[in-house]
Amino acid sequence: QQPVQSPQAVILREGEDAVINCSSSKALYSVHWYRQKHGEAPVFLMILLKGGEQKGHDKISASFNEKKQQSSLYLTASQLSYSGTYFCGTEFMTGANNLFFGTGTRLTVIP
Amino acid sequence: KAGVTQTPRYLIKTRGQQVTLSCSPISGHRSVSWYQQTPGQGLQFLFEYFSETQRNKGNFPGRFSGRQFSNSRSEMNVSTLELGDSALYLCASREGFNSPLHFGNGTRLTVT
Repeated sequence: QQPVQSPQAVILREGEDAVINCSSSKALYSVHWYRQKHGEAPVFLMILLKGGEQKGHDKISASFNEKKQQSSLYLTASQLSYSGTYFCGTEFMTGANNLFFGTGTRLTVIP
Repeated sequence: KAGVTQTPRYLIKTRGQQVTLSCSPISGHRSVSWYQQTPGQGLQFLFEYFSETQRNKGNFPGRFSGRQFSNSRSEMNVSTLELGDSALYLCASREGFNSPLHFGNGTRLTVT
């Protein structure tokens, strides 16, 4: 039930773009994205719901492909503050009130 | 509003002992979830409580248990500790389905 994230790690220079993918073998109802900085708690970025539109927040946006049960997180013109580990969390069609998280993608932005 | 509060922040226990972790959710949030975080494994779901009832449970042995009180505060208990239980335990609360999880800073448990 755990979604699969790729890549596991990525290193960017400031200003470069990145895409993080999240896929599930089960039908999804929603996908959450969180970012965790070292030594801190995960922080919510956005939720994408089945049938919903692509979400965006500043230069971070995400999409949800219901047919493929996949979501992608897009980081454009990356900043040093984007560094951290990104997790996707998935909720399934059964409506279970729990999120299953992927193993995370470690993103490092360097000057 | 105050955020999710977890106590204690750090714990060191020896194998075979038991431990209780505490979590106070954001005021008004009735759903509380617990996760175990270890390097390379990401966030593993332990269980979720809502209005004092366990609604969901992850794939963990029965040594891991929890409960929720009428004020939505939650506790997690691990009995007969093993070295592999060393991890960061995160608690998160939410308003309901389709709403974000708000995480506490976690309790780092070390089993020696």
